[in-house]
Amino acid sequence: LAKTTQPISMDSYEGQEVNITCSHNNIATNDYITWYQQFPSQGPRFIIQGYKTKVTNEVASLFIPADRKSSTLSLPRVSLSDTAVYYCLVGPNYGGATNKLIFGTGTLLAVQP
Amino acid sequence: EPEVTQTPSHQVTQMGQEVILRCVPISNHLYFYWYRQILGQKVEFLVSFYNNEISEKSEIFDDQFSVERPDGSNFTLKIRSTKLEDSAMYFCASEAFFGQGTRLTVV
Repeated sequence: LAKTTQPISMDSYEGQEVNITCSHNNIATNDYITWYQQFPSQGPRFIIQGYKTKVTNEVASLFIPADRKSSTLSLPRVSLSDTAVYYCLVGPNYGGATNKLIFGTGTLLAVQP
Repeated sequence: EPEVTQTPSHQVTQMGQEVILRCVPISNHLYFYWYRQILGQKVEFLVSFYNNEISEKSEIFDDQFSVERPDGSNFTLKIRSTKLEDSAMYFCASEAFFGQGTRLTVV
């Protein structure tokens, strides 16, 4: 499974757009990129998944450059309730999660008023 | 949105006792998992389950742990003789989707 590197923490203010970048230099051809959000004492929550270019849903956007060696999770207009740990995961078949997920330490996003 | 349901939300047990953690996965999913997260640490993979059998397990998942899906709906994790270090949040996942977890405290 490809190793991922993301910032340990980020700070933002309410209403700002937040971009969290993850590097995954050893991503394999059949790997997908998936982002999860976790609040304290809760289970990880699936946010978004992509393979290449751009994916957008009602919560976030995911930007993946052509070489796929990095990806950026974009959260538009964050609120205090977006304070959480965000995990970037890379691996095969995540569309149906037919393989285990390997979590790193994630990025702790702290949103201030 | 379909949910993964875990019960109980909290469980306190004495060291050496057996515990069973329960999960109701999403109905048309085929792959199920248990993960745990010790307070302040990473989410760790324990075991994956497909087609009514274990497909992969981690080093953590020793002989004290077992999983089963006895009735085609519930998916359970049993810890036979709990140790203090088993205290953690235990998460069931139905493919990419996680339950809210069971907080297990061993005293």
